[in-house]
Amino acid sequence: DGGITQSPKYLFRKEGQNVTLSCEQNLNHDAMYWYRQDPGQGLRLIYYSQIVNDFQKGDIAEGYSVSREKKESFPLTVTSAQKNPTAFYLCASSLGQTTGELFFGEGSRLTVL
Amino acid sequence: AQSVTQLDSHVSVSEGTPVLLRCNYSSSYSPSLFWYVQHPNKGLQLLLKYTSAATLVKGINGFEAEFKKSETSFHLTKPSAHMSDAAEYFCVVSYTGTASKLTFGTGTRLQVTL
Repeated sequence: DGGITQSPKYLFRKEGQNVTLSCEQNLNHDAMYWYRQDPGQGLRLIYYSQIVNDFQKGDIAEGYSVSREKKESFPLTVTSAQKNPTAFYLCASSLGQTTGELFFGEGSRLTVL
Repeated sequence: AQSVTQLDSHVSVSEGTPVLLRCNYSSSYSPSLFWYVQHPNKGLQLLLKYTSAATLVKGINGFEAEFKKSETSFHLTKPSAHMSDAAEYFCVVSYTGTASKLTFGTGTRLQVTL
């Protein structure tokens, strides 16, 4: 079945550690996105990529980094510079940029201890 | 700046009764509007979308929404709630037509009771 796979589903980290969240899609979509979700808030865009080897900052990129070396993969690194990293992280993809129809993974919940 | 307001953070209905989840957007020309659903600890799934075609939009699982320009609203409805409808619902707006410029509402949690 086509879809988006995020791993790990749950992740704990100590303060000062970098962590990388995986996102893989087999939908053959060009565009991929990372969102952060906090309780009582809408989703906020961290980074997005429209094509391999290219990505742009979203609204809350500080403290995060991404890469897009393959069309299928868009990993997100939460660095120690992110002041409040505990959140639910969602990866999504779309066929192109000119659509609001996003396909989401099941998310990764990061807790900083 | 584009914005979207979901008027209720929590809605509770009995199984078999109608559902109404309210959404208002900031007035602008030709917005694209979407409703997404999120079950606990899951990703979001598109329910329906409005992109300037018919003002009454039908989605999956019996949901529909009506675009009312005069009221700047895009409320989500369903005639009869089912227990499986219990989830969080997000109204989303885009004025640019690009997926990287979506604005998400803060969500409405729908509770369905027996």
